[in-house]
Amino acid sequence: DAGVTQSPTHLIKTRGQQVTLRCSPISGHKSVSWYQQVLGQGPQFIFQYYEKEERGRGNFPDRFSARQFPNYSSELNVNALLLGDSALYLCASSPGLADTDTQYFGPGTRLTVL
Amino acid sequence: KNQVEQSPQSLIILEGKNCTLQCNYTVSPFSNLRWYKQDTGRGPVSLTIMTFSENTKSNGRYTATLDADTKQSSLHITASQLSDSASYICVVSAKSGANNLFFGTGTRLTVIP
Repeated sequence: DAGVTQSPTHLIKTRGQQVTLRCSPISGHKSVSWYQQVLGQGPQFIFQYYEKEERGRGNFPDRFSARQFPNYSSELNVNALLLGDSALYLCASSPGLADTDTQYFGPGTRLTVL
Repeated sequence: KNQVEQSPQSLIILEGKNCTLQCNYTVSPFSNLRWYKQDTGRGPVSLTIMTFSENTKSNGRYTATLDADTKQSSLHITASQLSDSASYICVVSAKSGANNLFFGTGTRLTVIP
């Protein structure tokens, strides 16, 4: 079985640009969450989607947006990039929303903003 | 405030030696605690999950303990291997809410030959 996949693996952008990151969950998983991980820190929650609806949002500005498609894949968009947006962006999928559902993480997209 | 603290921040051990990583949390209401292994530049991989009633759980050379009374957990690695070099993150789930996962900042383990 394929795990969570993310694309691209690496990305370099300049300040003010916009970026779209993509995630495909494990087959059968309906929940996708996005996290930002700055070097040396634990992941910070950005969004959770379940059945194409936003179920939660972390403390991130409106420049960050996301959506989930009918096939449960997801995109994370970041507008007006800042240097501080440089991080590893992780996508995680889980079967549903149960507390005990394990989140399976993808390999991440490394975003560098110059 | 829901928090997860890990210690030590970093650790260097010789190949073949054992080590223990610590996690203290204040997350409430508590649902479960997971230890993840994260290789550099990669996504975290789940090692163990423990619920309130579980004290010990093993996964190969990894053994996790949980003391729900003192809100402490440990991850013991036996007979370390070079491939154990990674960050180990403690993640505590609260019982409800979308943003119900609380991450520690991790312990960076380096195993040297």
